[in-house]
Amino acid sequence: KNEVEQSPQNLTAQEGEFITINCSYSVGISALHWLQQHPGGGIVSLFMLSSGKKKHGRLIATINIQEKHSSLHITASHPRDSAVYICAVGLPGSARQLTFGSGTQLTVLP
Amino acid sequence: DAGITQSPRHKVTETGTPVTLRCHQTENHRYMYWYRQDPGHGLRLIHYSYGVKDTDKGEVSDGYSVSRSKTEDFLLTLESATSSQTSVYFCAISEARGVPGANYGYTFGSGTRLTVV
Repeated sequence: KNEVEQSPQNLTAQEGEFITINCSYSVGISALHWLQQHPGGGIVSLFMLSSGKKKHGRLIATINIQEKHSSLHITASHPRDSAVYICAVGLPGSARQLTFGSGTQLTVLP
Repeated sequence: DAGITQSPRHKVTETGTPVTLRCHQTENHRYMYWYRQDPGHGLRLIHYSYGVKDTDKGEVSDGYSVSRSKTEDFLLTLESATSSQTSVYFCAISEARGVPGANYGYTFGSGTRLTVV
C-alpha cells in the first residue's frame, strides 16, 4: 500500500518568510501533485511533477524520485497563501487515481 | 482548464433515503473520479470511471454506486444514506498533458457538502 506522509501538519509563518512543506511516499509513482484548498473552498491543482522542478510565481515544487520525496516552497509568503496544501501521488497503471497526504495547514500572519 | 460542475452544492437528507450527486464536465475527458473528504482521513477514492459504462471501485466504495451513461456525466448514488456518509464529496477529472501516460493534470469540482441526519 502506498503511504503519503506530509510534514509539518501545521505551520504558522510571518508574512515574507520562506516556507517549505515536505512530502514523502513509499512506492514508485507516475506523478506527484501539489494541491491547494482554501477554507470552505474547492481544491486547486498547483503542480504536477514527474521529475525535477517546477516554478509558478512564488511557488516552487521539487521532486527527488530516488529518495521518494517532494517539497513545496513558497517564497515571500503572504496572508493570502494561508490554506491547506495537499500532496497526492499517482501510481503507474492505476487509471490516474490519486492517493493523498493528510495535508498541511499553513497560516501566514500579517 | 476543463469545466466541471457538481450539483447540488449542499444537501441535507434523512437516514435511509437515496441520494444522487451529479458531476458534469464540458470536455470529453475519459477519466472521472468521486472522492470524499473527511477530517482525519483526508481525501479518499470512492469510485472512478475510465469511459462510458466503465467504472470501478475505490478505497471506500461500500454503500455507493456510480453510473456513467454519457461521457460528460458521472453520477454518485448513496443507495440508503447513513450518518457515516456525511462528508464533502469532490468530483474530479484528469486530463492528459504532454507525454501520454505520464503527465496528466487534475481538476476538481467545487464539492458537495452532504449531511445525513
